[in-house]
Amino acid sequence: QKEVEQNSGPLSVPEGAIASLNCTYSDRGSQSFFWYRQYSGKSPELIMSIYSNGDKEDGRFTAQLNKASQYVSLLIRDSQPSDSATYLCAVKRSTGGFKTIFGAGTRLFVKA
Amino acid sequence: GAVVSQHPSRVICKSGTSVKIECRSLDFQATTMFWYRQFPKKSLMLMATSNEGSKATYEQGVEKDKFLINHASLTLSTLTVTSAHPEDSSFYICSATSRKETQYFGPGTRLLVL
Repeated sequence: QKEVEQNSGPLSVPEGAIASLNCTYSDRGSQSFFWYRQYSGKSPELIMSIYSNGDKEDGRFTAQLNKASQYVSLLIRDSQPSDSATYLCAVKRSTGGFKTIFGAGTRLFVKA
Repeated sequence: GAVVSQHPSRVICKSGTSVKIECRSLDFQATTMFWYRQFPKKSLMLMATSNEGSKATYEQGVEKDKFLINHASLTLSTLTVTSAHPEDSSFYICSATSRKETQYFGPGTRLLVL
């Protein structure tokens, strides 16, 4: 089992719809979670961080965390073609050097 | 968010030469810097972790004598690809973090070895 798992996609949604990206992790003690966006040929950029159970909203983005289920998600409301990218889930380990582990990413395609 | 720069953004070199890539944190002190490699359509691969003033910790399978990392100050880390070969051609990305733990990525360096 990978430490951080994401569906590779591609996830295709129409413009204006809600895109839902999911991530599960194996380290039950993890406390810090991040979502990054990576456009093709570019480096990742931080979208959101979340540390507590529940929802955290920032503009069109909402991160959801459920530590009991070891599950973190990212919702993108009113999806735009410019949101088309690969979304990386990252989880900071609770032990073993506290390294941040990245998922392989989910490719999102927003159709105009 | 914090700003991390990388230089050069793109480099082409001949096989057998060495290439140095710089990573700088511009507006914060980076206690830790990370070096990643990414092949086309593949996920990020962590190569090594470096803490200021100490030796880098390399991931399994990464040759430390080939990929030399120096983290000389809280704002600068360098990666030198020694005796580069065509299979080293890749997208090299650094990231930096302060004690606040969020990683911020540089824009990446695209290396092409002929």
